[in-house]
Amino acid sequence: DAGVTQSPTHLIKTRGQQVTLRCSPKSGHDTVSWYQQALGQGPQFIFQYYEEEERQRGNFPDRFSGHQFPNYSSELNVNALLLGDSALYLCASSFGVAGELFFGEGSRLTVL
Amino acid sequence: GENVEQHPSTLSVQEGDSAVIKCTYSDSASNYFPWYKQELGKGPQLIIDIRSNVGEKKDQRIAVTLNKTAKHFSLHITETQPEDSAVYFCAASNPQGAQKLVFGQGTRLTINP
Repeated sequence: DAGVTQSPTHLIKTRGQQVTLRCSPKSGHDTVSWYQQALGQGPQFIFQYYEEEERQRGNFPDRFSGHQFPNYSSELNVNALLLGDSALYLCASSFGVAGELFFGEGSRLTVL
Repeated sequence: GENVEQHPSTLSVQEGDSAVIKCTYSDSASNYFPWYKQELGKGPQLIIDIRSNVGEKKDQRIAVTLNKTAKHFSLHITETQPEDSAVYFCAASNPQGAQKLVFGQGTRLTINP
């Protein structure tokens, strides 16, 4: 049984570019949440998707957007990248909006 | 909004000894308090959680205690082993945002053989 899978694992972008990160939830899960983890810090909640809609959002600017597909997979898009966007982006899935979260191993984004 | 403070930031203990990590939270409406273990290059893994209607929960060598009045909760690891070495995070959420977890800053636990 595959857990939460994320791609790519590592990527490097330059300021002003756009990036798309992808997440496949654990089998049987229908809800996806995204977190940003800066180096040496705890994860910060970006948003949650359920039934292809954004259900909750943290304190992140509109440059951060997402999407959930009918197969429950999800994408995180970040536009106009800033140096401060360099971080590990974690995807977590669950069954339902209040279920236990299972995290993927993350996508490490470096912005130069 | 919710704010979670975690202490200490680093903790080093001898193998076999106990380790305690403490967290405080600010939002009295928070009712769910999970603890995560993050190993190098991996995502956080839930190791134990507690809800506000319970004061203590134990799972083998791991226990969590919650003091709602003081708004603090603690992780206790007994008989520590080298594989317990990792970064541990506490988190909190309220009923309106069950998965909108607010994490502490993390504790790097090192078990010395």
